[in-house]
Amino acid sequence: QSALTQPPSVSGSPGQSVTISCTGTSSDVGSYNRVSWYQQPPGTAPKLMIYQVSNRPSGVPDRFSGSKSGNTASLTISGLQAEDEADYYCSSYTTISTVVFGGGTRLTVL
Amino acid sequence: QLQLQESGPGLVKPSETLSLTCTVSGGSISSSSYYWGWVRLPPGKGLEWIGSIFYTGTTFYNPSLKSRVTISVDTSKNQFSLKLRSVTAVDTALYYCARIDSGFYYMDVWGTGTTVTVSS
Repeated sequence: QSALTQPPSVSGSPGQSVTISCTGTSSDVGSYNRVSWYQQPPGTAPKLMIYQVSNRPSGVPDRFSGSKSGNTASLTISGLQAEDEADYYCSSYTTISTVVFGGGTRLTVL
Repeated sequence: QLQLQESGPGLVKPSETLSLTCTVSGGSISSSSYYWGWVRLPPGKGLEWIGSIFYTGTTFYNPSLKSRVTISVDTSKNQFSLKLRSVTAVDTALYYCARIDSGFYYMDVWGTGTTVTVSS
């Protein structure tokens, strides 16, 4: 299975919005609403930010939102804050009952 | 609240077997609502799913690692384990265990991670 495709890096200034894309295939992202997003600041474990494409766990700010169209899922972070600087990963369940991650996107807050 | 903690050797010799255990506390591993999985983060690379197990012993593995991986569960100890055989330097990584929702396959609780280096 191939990793989902994410841009290596994105950046934005405080208060701005950024969107991170996650492109898969009809065998993963396109087949299920089982797409999730994780935030990983340096030196810490990943943290679930979005599940089931667009749902936020308790405690995750509503500045974080998710969506999906066809084989591409997206994570949008609005009102950027310095604390949002981290690596972000998408993941999807697949048609062969496995999980595939994206390559990761480094978010820099300018 | 539920906590996961990885344990095992931090250094493994090439061609040997990497063995890690994840201890679950604050909840039961014998829940039909969750799978339990392993994920790794090689230096300078992205997250990689290794595999998952249900409390009944049903397993799912990453096809690229399937020939070398075994994940097992011990419900009496509330633990699950990872064995990765014939390791090489490319298996050097930060290894995490995680709880996985069985309905929508998201990982909502993670261990702190343990670094495993493959070197002679």
